[in-house]
Amino acid sequence: AQRVTQPEKLLSVFKGAPVELKCNYSYSGSPELFWYVQYSRQRLQLLLRHISRESIKGFTADLNKGETSFHLKKPFAQEEDSAMYYCALSIQGAQKLVFGQGTRLTINP
Amino acid sequence: ETGVTQSPTHLIKTRGQQVTLRCSSQSGHNTVSWYQQALGQGPQFIFQYYREEENGRGNFPPRFSGLQFPNYSSELNVNALELDDSALYLCASSLDASTTYEQYFGPGTRLTVT
Repeated sequence: AQRVTQPEKLLSVFKGAPVELKCNYSYSGSPELFWYVQYSRQRLQLLLRHISRESIKGFTADLNKGETSFHLKKPFAQEEDSAMYYCALSIQGAQKLVFGQGTRLTINP
Repeated sequence: ETGVTQSPTHLIKTRGQQVTLRCSSQSGHNTVSWYQQALGQGPQFIFQYYREEENGRGNFPPRFSGLQFPNYSSELNVNALELDDSALYLCASSLDASTTYEQYFGPGTRLTVT
């Protein structure tokens, strides 16, 4: 079965500190993974996808197939990074995204 | 460019009733996916519509059904409502079925079943 696990429901770090949001997946096929973000009073939106290997708002995520992980990282957190973050797995052929439970990130001043 | 819109914003229904939720896709998008998000959980895929045909379904019973219209707007219908159907229902549109990963979400409809 396909599954995405985000072990931390809540994560709190200080401004300027590094941040890492964990994501592990279970999928027998070739995985396509994404991070979606929801800022306060805004809609869920795509943050980044592993295939593009780009950095968005200073965030990066590397797909580690050996550890079946796709952790989201940022070296220096900013207050505007406070949001709900969801890791998602694209299931090809089934035309769907499987989301994790989400991690609420709070950046303290 | 018009974003994804959903109506109504909030809805309260009684167990056993039926409900219809509506979604207008982003301009130029022909694919709509519906998700159920229970409190404290991530969105869970219900089904997807591509060019008016169902194009994938999650683990939801048949009382969850949908439609897509020629203008690519969509409806989610839920019959015989149960208390556990209380959730935020999200609609997301994408350019086409091959770009499902980049989905543009609406604000959601909050359904409460009493």
